[in-house]
Amino acid sequence: DADVTQTPRNRITKTGKRIMLECSQTKGHDRMYWYRQDPGLGLRLIYYSFDVKDINKGEISDGYSVSRQAQAKFSLSLESAIPNQTALYFCATSDPGTEREKLFFGSGTQLSVL
Amino acid sequence: GENVEQHPSTLSVQEGDSAVIKCTYSDSASNYFPWYKQELGKRPQLIIDIRSNVGEKKDQRIAVTLNKTAKHFSLHITETQPEDSAVYFCAAFMNRDDKIIFGKGTRLHILP
Repeated sequence: DADVTQTPRNRITKTGKRIMLECSQTKGHDRMYWYRQDPGLGLRLIYYSFDVKDINKGEISDGYSVSRQAQAKFSLSLESAIPNQTALYFCATSDPGTEREKLFFGSGTQLSVL
Repeated sequence: GENVEQHPSTLSVQEGDSAVIKCTYSDSASNYFPWYKQELGKRPQLIIDIRSNVGEKKDQRIAVTLNKTAKHFSLHITETQPEDSAVYFCAAFMNRDDKIIFGKGTRLHILP
């Protein structure tokens, strides 16, 4: 089945380290997103990309950067991790056609910054 | 800015009873309202959605209602079962910006 895959599933790192979270998809969707989930705060958009040459900031992009290496790959980087970036991170995709509003989420990456 | 408010944050109901989760949105141009269910340790998954040209939509035990005038929409789950225990997120699609804004989630507990 076509899917959205995130690696790693879990990561523990130290303050100040550079971290990359990776997302790949076999759905053939053009649109890809990175969300952060914190208890009680819901899902907040970090960055999104509508095609390989398109990168847009979401509502909480400070401290993060992204790279869209190919249609199927969208990675999220924390240049210098800090403890309040401890969260569950989700990648998502959508089809730019008539159902562009429907998101398909990856399995998530739990990141802990000590 | 655009905002989606969701209530309650936690809801406990007896198995077999109904559960209702309510959301309000700020941008009157929003035209699509999905609901996602996230079971413990799993990814959010779309369970039902409604577009702005429809007032109600039903799928077996779940239904969603939309009041465009009041900018309210609600999720209704009838005859609740243990597998309904999860976190539920409402969202609104901002057609102008082409992006989705999520509510903060409701943790639903189904009590035996």
